[in-house]
Amino acid sequence: QVQLVQSGTEVKKPGASVKVSCKASGYTFTSYGICWVRQAPGQGLEWMGWISPYNGDTHYAQKFQGRVTMTTDTSTGTAYMELRSLRSDDTAVYYCARDTYAFDFWGQGTMVTVSS
Amino acid sequence: QSALTQPASVSGSPGQSITISCTGTSSDIGGYKYVSWYQQHPGKAPKLMIYEVSNRPSGVSNRFSGSKSGNTASLTISGLQAEDEADYYCNSYTSSNTRVFGGGTKLTVL
Repeated sequence: QVQLVQSGTEVKKPGASVKVSCKASGYTFTSYGICWVRQAPGQGLEWMGWISPYNGDTHYAQKFQGRVTMTTDTSTGTAYMELRSLRSDDTAVYYCARDTYAFDFWGQGTMVTVSS
Repeated sequence: QSALTQPASVSGSPGQSITISCTGTSSDIGGYKYVSWYQQHPGKAPKLMIYEVSNRPSGVSNRFSGSKSGNTASLTISGLQAEDEADYYCNSYTSSNTRVFGGGTKLTVL
């Protein structure tokens, strides 16, 4: 069965970076894209970007250009999302999801708190 | 890329039908078949309910249906049940090769 398992809760100070992992299993990792979506407390879903594990192509939302990097490790079937220069408004739950032009399987979410 | 426009809230009684709209532009909803809908219960990850405008994934009740007309997509839930109470989000592919979500709609089952 398809599963996406994310890394655990993170607490960071403003200006720091965070790297969240998403380990996929139950399907051929390089056959589907992975997207990252975040949700601030009490707010809606926000699409951050997409990566192709097949060739490493990425597409980022304009809002995060220059501050986010998405990568994959095909040897372990793991996707990563690094967000730099963290601010308090980056406090959110970060999700990875398998992308088939729809997001059919989701990780459990990773809470990232940015606080001094 | 601006968020797609959804009503903040809708409500209905058990057994009734409700429709949630999602309005975009010709650069997203109006231009592509890649419109999807997600259900999210509090504290849980979103769940795919509809993909490519009107298709249901395996395991999703046929009480859920989707459609599109011009720049507006719609999700209809028939025979409302208490368990349908949740937040619903639409999503579309865009001409910039990105994706965009709607602001979300809170469904209350009265």
